[in-house]
Amino acid sequence: AQSVTQLDSHVSVSEGTPVLLRCNYSSSYSPSLFWYVQHPNKGLQLLLKYTSAATLVKGINGFEAEFKKSETSFHLTKPSAHMSDAAEYFCVVSLSNDYKLSFGAGTTVTVRA
Amino acid sequence: DSGVTQTPKHLITATGQRVTLRCSPRSGDLSVYWYQQSLDQGLQFLIQYYNGEERAKGNILERFSAQQFPDLHSELNLSSLELGDSALYFCASSPRGNAADTQYFGPGTRLTVL
Repeated sequence: AQSVTQLDSHVSVSEGTPVLLRCNYSSSYSPSLFWYVQHPNKGLQLLLKYTSAATLVKGINGFEAEFKKSETSFHLTKPSAHMSDAAEYFCVVSLSNDYKLSFGAGTTVTVRA
Repeated sequence: DSGVTQTPKHLITATGQRVTLRCSPRSGDLSVYWYQQSLDQGLQFLIQYYNGEERAKGNILERFSAQQFPDLHSELNLSSLELGDSALYFCASSPRGNAADTQYFGPGTRLTVL
């Protein structure tokens, strides 16, 4: 079985400050890990993905995530938040022997001016 | 723009009715997925098709069915609708339907059951 836990349901940051969104997963197999972003009334957009290559993954819009197998974590970071980063972020797991994606509950990010 | 299109954008209907949601995948993608997003259940995988064949099933109710046609577009049929079926329904597509594939999501169809 696989599961994804996003440790914060809501994160509020000031513009220009770092953003950290935490994600832990549990899986018995080698996972593929993704972060997707959903802006209000929009579909989901891929930010980045890990598929057993480099453990530090760079994505779009300045986001990056680090896969830590020992901690079963895949936290998402950005050095400097922008107002346009206000959205909902989903950590997602896909197993090598499975076809479906399992989504975390989501983290809502608000950015204060 | 992901290249995945979904119609209609909004759908309002009554309990007991039947509706059909349509999805056109990105050009070249062979696999289509359906997801339901609701406030109480979050994002849930419903079903996946690959090149016309069902490949994986998630938490899809028996009242719901889907198919993928030879031109690779897909339809999700929801019948005997209940209030609890109100949700945002997303379609996604990927090239090969593998676990490591990136899935590209459409803008969704918002279903409201009154």
